[in-house]
Amino acid sequence: SAVISQKPSRDICQRGTSLTIQCQVDSQVTMMFWYRQQPGQSLTLIATANQGSEATYESGFVIDKFPISRPNLTFSTLTVSNMSPEDSSIYLCSVVGDFNEQFFGPGTRLTVL
Amino acid sequence: AQRVTQPEKLLSVFKGAPVELKCNYSYSGSPELFWYVQYSRQRLQLLLRHISRESIKGFTADLNKGETSFHLKKPFAQEEDSAMYYCALSARGDYKLSFGAGTTVTVRA
Repeated sequence: SAVISQKPSRDICQRGTSLTIQCQVDSQVTMMFWYRQQPGQSLTLIATANQGSEATYESGFVIDKFPISRPNLTFSTLTVSNMSPEDSSIYLCSVVGDFNEQFFGPGTRLTVL
Repeated sequence: AQRVTQPEKLLSVFKGAPVELKCNYSYSGSPELFWYVQYSRQRLQLLLRHISRESIKGFTADLNKGETSFHLKKPFAQEEDSAMYYCALSARGDYKLSFGAGTTVTVRA
């Protein structure tokens, strides 16, 4: 199984600022995703982080707001830009392992004041 | 568009009683269905998927294409089954998951 870590685990930020969340995997993986879980709601896919090319965003999410980097097969970052209180969520990265099982990171709990 | 519906937000059962979590989906193609579980203070993890046809921790789920359902069942609930359960769907060959709203299960002694 893939072991995933995320940094930071939580943060409290002021509106208008940006936060970059890191996702580190202990093995090389092809497929990596970023999800958001708003308070009291389910998980929603933000984008697919593609290694060596631009991320693929889902409807309702744009690169200017959620820029994603994927410099190699074990690491990705998600930036939440120009934050507002509506961005308060848990942000999770996930990867697809060897047997097509999807593993999730522990999540980053973001609160925007 | 794909959609997953979990009609029960909360489910409370007594230890030893059967438990069933409902999941219905809408998808025009061939779906892959999953159940994920999140125990208190732990990360989200895969419980089972329909293509495996296996029983994990006593849980089973059968894909009913006619009723577009993938209900999760366990004949005898245990206290350690208390958790949040999410039903999820992806298109076959695609790993992007659409999640239901989740059901919080509480198993009482």
